[in-house]
Parts: sequence; C-alpha cells; structure tokens
Amino acid sequence: GAGVSQSPSNKVTEKGKDVELRCDPISGHTALYWYRQRLGQGLEFLIYFQGNSAPDKSGLPSDRFSAERTGESVSTLTIQRTQQEDSAVYLCASSLAATEVRQPQHFGDGTRLSIL
Amino acid sequence: RKEVEQDPGPFNVPEGATVAFNCTYSNSASQSFFWYRQDCRKEPKLLMSVYSSGNEDGRFTAQLNRASQYISLLIRDSKLSDSATYLCVVNKGGYQKVTFGTGTKLQVIP
Repeated sequence: GAGVSQSPSNKVTEKGKDVELRCDPISGHTALYWYRQRLGQGLEFLIYFQGNSAPDKSGLPSDRFSAERTGESVSTLTIQRTQQEDSAVYLCASSLAATEVRQPQHFGDGTRLSIL
Repeated sequence: RKEVEQDPGPFNVPEGATVAFNCTYSNSASQSFFWYRQDCRKEPKLLMSVYSSGNEDGRFTAQLNRASQYISLLIRDSKLSDSATYLCVVNKGGYQKVTFGTGTKLQVIP
C-alpha cells in the first residue's frame, strides 16, 4: 500500500517568504508527527497530532511555525517569514493509534527546504 | 542528561565483522524501543523493534537491559550495504511521543 507522502520534495525560497509543506499519512494512521533534520544533525521533534488535535506542540521552534491537520488525514506545516536557519529537511511520520505504544513510525521522504 | 544517548561514531569495520552499538535512555518508564536506520540524505526506516526478551532478525540482534537502561544492536557478518546511521528510538508511552537518538554512524569497509 501507499506509504507516507510528502510534498514538495524540494523547496527553494527567498528569506522572508512563507512556505507550506504537506504530508499525507498512511491510510488509517491516526498519529502524525513532524520532525526537522538539519544537515548532519539528528531528528528534532516539532509537533505531534492525534487525529486532528495537536496535544504536543512543544517542539515548534517559534511562533512562525504552525501546523494543522484535517479529516484525520492530510497535515500541513506552515513556516512564515522564513529565515536561513529554517533550511533543513522536514520529515513527516505516521503511526497507528497512539494507544498502541509499540507501533513504530513510518516516514515520508521528506521535504528539503532551502532558504536563500 | 539527554533522554536518549548514542555514541555518534563513526564505527569503521571490515566486511564480515561483528559490530555492536548501545543506546542509553534516561526515563525508566519508557515502554517501547526501536532501531531505525537512516541512509545518507534519506528518511529513517524501521529496522526492528526491541522486545524485552531480546529478538533477532537475520544478522541483526536487538536487546534491552531495563536495569541499566540501555538497548543494543548487534550486527553479524557486516555487509557494505549495512553502512548507514543507526538511530535508537525510545517511546515513553502515553500519547506515543517518541525520542530519537542522534544516531551512530557505521561504515563497513571492503
């Protein structure tokens, strides 16, 4: 079946512009996660959704970052007034219901964001 | 102390060698554990879950030591294709927020 799909795969934009990243999770996966990974660094947790709710937004680095999810499916991560330090790969992952703690996360290919 | 700690490596090993990595975690209430592998400029992919009694998948063996709060990954008969970064993942339970380690880099040399 289809895996986690992210779009665009690459995005180059000028500093100060807004960007919107999209994630389509695996069908039936109610948990959805966003991570950021800078070059040569580990995964940095951004936000988690259970259904359409985001119980944990603790990882969002600033108020320029926001995310939403609709229909317990697609999620968008929006970065306003982008800065050069926002350049990174943004990874989305999904997993089955959060009550099943042993369910692993499955990742999309990521969106490579470059801010000029 | 970090929630999840890994030796970043790199571990440079010859083909056919056996290599092992450890990963320590700080929260004793952690409930589930995984190993992921990440190839250069690719997304992390699940390698295996780690069960309390230890588990094996081909050349890969994962173990959990709750008393000392670490998990391990053993790779036997290393292949060139095993070269990657291995991420330790710990789930504290609840709403399934997981914490990724920063990874251990393995380079298998011909």
